[in-house]
Amino acid sequence: QKEVEQDPGPLSVPEGAIVSLNCTYSNSAFQYFMWYRQYSRKGPELLMYTYSSGNKEDGRFTAQVDKSSKYISLFIRDSQPSDSATYLCAMSATGTASKLTFGTGTRLQVTL
Amino acid sequence: GAVVSQHPSRVICKSGTSVKIECRSLDFQATTMFWYRQFPKQSLMLMATSNEGSKATYEQGVEKDKFLINHASLTLSTLTVTSAHPEDSSFYICSASGGQRTYEQYFGPGTRLTVT
Repeated sequence: QKEVEQDPGPLSVPEGAIVSLNCTYSNSAFQYFMWYRQYSRKGPELLMYTYSSGNKEDGRFTAQVDKSSKYISLFIRDSQPSDSATYLCAMSATGTASKLTFGTGTRLQVTL
Repeated sequence: GAVVSQHPSRVICKSGTSVKIECRSLDFQATTMFWYRQFPKQSLMLMATSNEGSKATYEQGVEKDKFLINHASLTLSTLTVTSAHPEDSSFYICSASGGQRTYEQYFGPGTRLTVT
């Protein structure tokens, strides 16, 4: 079993839709939870990170962590074509600048 | 934001040869650099962590004699794939953290290696 599971998609939504992206994990030592966005032929870019359980909001993006269920989510409101990218969840037991364990990434396509 | 570059962006080499990939932090001093590998439709997998001036720490299953990592300065780390084989063909990405950028890893754009 992989430590981090993520549906690879692709996920196609119309512009303006609410997007829900999810990851599950098995390692209870994970304390730091991150979402990265990766455009084609580019390196991952950190979108949001959350420490332990709870919600965090930044503009159109909301990250949720439920450690009891070992489940994390990223919601994108009012999705735009520019949001089309691959979204990777990543987790760490020791910090955002430490060893990260990634999901496979979900490819998102926002259509006009 | 911080900028990390990689060179080359794409390389094709013949089986049995060695290839070097460079990772540079352009606007900050990277005390720690990470090297990841990503196979198609799979996760980024951490290969090794290197701290400036120290030997790299390799993840389980990664051959240190095959994947040579050098982090000789605060802005440059290199990954050399020695005696490359077709199964080494992959996307290699580095990341860096350090200085005033301690709480985040900044990723390079990646290098696509194809071994023929």
